[in-house]
Amino acid sequence: TQLLEQSPQFLSIQEGENLTVYCNSSSVFSSLQWYRQEPGEGPVLLVTVVTGGEVKKLKRLTFQFGDARKDSSLHITAAQPGDTGLYLCAGERGGSSNTGKLIFGQGTTLQVKP
Amino acid sequence: EAGVTQFPSHSVIEKGQTVTLRCDPISGHDNLYWYRRVMGKEIKFLLHFVKESKQDESGMPNNRFLAERTGGTYSTLKVQPAELEDSGVYFCASSQGYGGRSYNSPLHFGNGTRLTVT
Repeated sequence: TQLLEQSPQFLSIQEGENLTVYCNSSSVFSSLQWYRQEPGEGPVLLVTVVTGGEVKKLKRLTFQFGDARKDSSLHITAAQPGDTGLYLCAGERGGSSNTGKLIFGQGTTLQVKP
Repeated sequence: EAGVTQFPSHSVIEKGQTVTLRCDPISGHDNLYWYRRVMGKEIKFLLHFVKESKQDESGMPNNRFLAERTGGTYSTLKVQPAELEDSGVYFCASSQGYGGRSYNSPLHFGNGTRLTVT
């Protein structure tokens, strides 16, 4: 059973278009992280959202944590070819023993064509 | 600072053989994690060290996997004997500090070891 459903799995768009990636769960998370992974490399943290309803912006990327802390979204405005890559969401459950134990979504492979 | 380094980057072994993966965390990071991504699946947690102690090994698939972190520095993950389903990319990550939430002490991932069992 996939605890964190990420969609879409693949996305191919033209430069300049907007896109949104979704990460959904029926479980509550204490935090939700978004990573970007390039081929042959490990995931690199983009942002962490902690509070329900929280919105964070990173240049053209906007991250939102759902009010109930069960879902999150990543919105990219005016996508550039340099945005091409694998985007991963990862949640951390509550409980003092779960430090750093992340539950990952399956990832969204984004291709931005010039 | 140097990042998390993993060795080897690729390993191809036959079913039944033994393989040892190594991870060197960022210097001074007490927390060390192993994660794995098998083909078509999401990245999954394997275990967590705090210094040399296993904090959580709930994700280890079975007793063919043995992780160690002697002296609280680098860590090894041994698979013995390897099976076909062990193929995948094994990631190591490290973070500073002890306790608290990962958002207070973000994880730094290595580039992974791609293991292929034939």
